[in-house]
Amino acid sequence: DQQVKQNSPSLSVQEGRISILNCDYTNSMFDYFLWYKKYPAEGPTFLISISSIKDKNEDGRFTVFLNKSAKHLSLHIVPSQPGDSAVYFCAASAGYGGATNKLIFGTGTLLAVQP
Amino acid sequence: DSGVTQTPKHLITATGQRVTLRCSPRSGDLSVYWYQQSLDQGLQFLIQYYNGEERAKGNILERFSAQQFPDLHSELNLSSLELGDSALYFCASSERGDWNSPLHFGNGTRLTVT
Repeated sequence: DQQVKQNSPSLSVQEGRISILNCDYTNSMFDYFLWYKKYPAEGPTFLISISSIKDKNEDGRFTVFLNKSAKHLSLHIVPSQPGDSAVYFCAASAGYGGATNKLIFGTGTLLAVQP
Repeated sequence: DSGVTQTPKHLITATGQRVTLRCSPRSGDLSVYWYQQSLDQGLQFLIQYYNGEERAKGNILERFSAQQFPDLHSELNLSSLELGDSALYFCASSERGDWNSPLHFGNGTRLTVT
């Protein structure tokens, strides 16, 4: 049972345009959401997070939107740069404020930013 | 460089064998996590340790076991290996191990079972 779903395996975007990566989840207990970026031959690196008490969080070129009623979150990258080309993983946990950080990851979306 | 060190980088072994994957967390991090990434799959949470004690358990098979030692490094033991165990195994560490403690991942160990 895939509780966190990234239905687009890949996305191609022109440099300077907006990249929108989507993620859906099924577990209504999830209350903390994160995006990780992964380059080939490296481990994932943390990008941005959002808790369920917010619907938007922004960090520079990266913005995450959360729609709790739709159980959907998205990551917007504006403007997209070639260096953003990587696999992006959505992750969720039901541990907001708790003693553990057990993250459930999606399958990832490969973003290719064309120069 | 995340500061998390995983060894070996690659491991090739036969079915039925046993292997040990090793992880050294970032300096100062008390919690260690193990994840498995199979082909076309997301990262599957296996187990979390905090300061030597098991804190959370995921979809870890009975053939797999892990521990965190007093110096905080961790080992993941995989036994009676099957072809389906071929995967990337990631270790991550965090300072406190709680909900708001960011995970820092190592570069993974690629296990191939033939």
